[in-house]
Amino acid sequence: KAGVTQTPRYLIKTRGQQVTLSCSPISGHRSVSWYQQTPGQGLQFLFEYFSETQRNKGNFPGRFSGRQFSNSRSEMNVSTLELGDSALYLCASRDITGGKDTEAFFGQGTRLTVV
Amino acid sequence: AQTVTQSQPEMSVQEAETVTLSCTYDTSENNYYLFWYKQPPSRQMILVIRQEAYKQQNATENRFSVNFQKAAKSFSLKISDSQLGDTAMYFCAFLPWGGSEKLVFGKGTKLTVNP
Repeated sequence: KAGVTQTPRYLIKTRGQQVTLSCSPISGHRSVSWYQQTPGQGLQFLFEYFSETQRNKGNFPGRFSGRQFSNSRSEMNVSTLELGDSALYLCASRDITGGKDTEAFFGQGTRLTVV
Repeated sequence: AQTVTQSQPEMSVQEAETVTLSCTYDTSENNYYLFWYKQPPSRQMILVIRQEAYKQQNATENRFSVNFQKAAKSFSLKISDSQLGDTAMYFCAFLPWGGSEKLVFGKGTKLTVNP
């Protein structure tokens, strides 16, 4: 099985712009979560989607949004970028149907730099 | 809200020796999962080992084992016969029982294995 794929791997944006990051989960996984990783704050949960519905949301401003498509692929969007949004954004997928394994499989992340 | 604390920002160990990474957590939940994730320079988070809180037996996975003390809310990771490839950031993470993905991570411990 292919792993979790995140695109792009690297991104440089200007303050005030918006950005869209993409995540393709492992085939069959319907839960997709997003995390922001920074040196100062560590890993912080952004949101989780399951079957195209947002099930859980972290403590981030409304500039951070996401969605999930019927094929379970997910996108996250950050509008009006700020310098502090520079981070590694990680996506994780899980198979949570039928009480299966709770292991989250992570992608390699998208490194976003805001200048 | 749950919190996870890793009190050792950095550790080093000689190849073939044993090292223990510490993790404590705070929660009012009775059922939950605990994980240790490894993040090498490639950035991809890889699950090392997991523990279900209802299981008294400590989890083991080849050279990796945990010491889970539920009453003390402690979850340490022991790496035996350390290898150069074990050099990475190690994150302790907490997941409440119930299926909704919201991993709470510690700040991480940077482990260096020296030849």
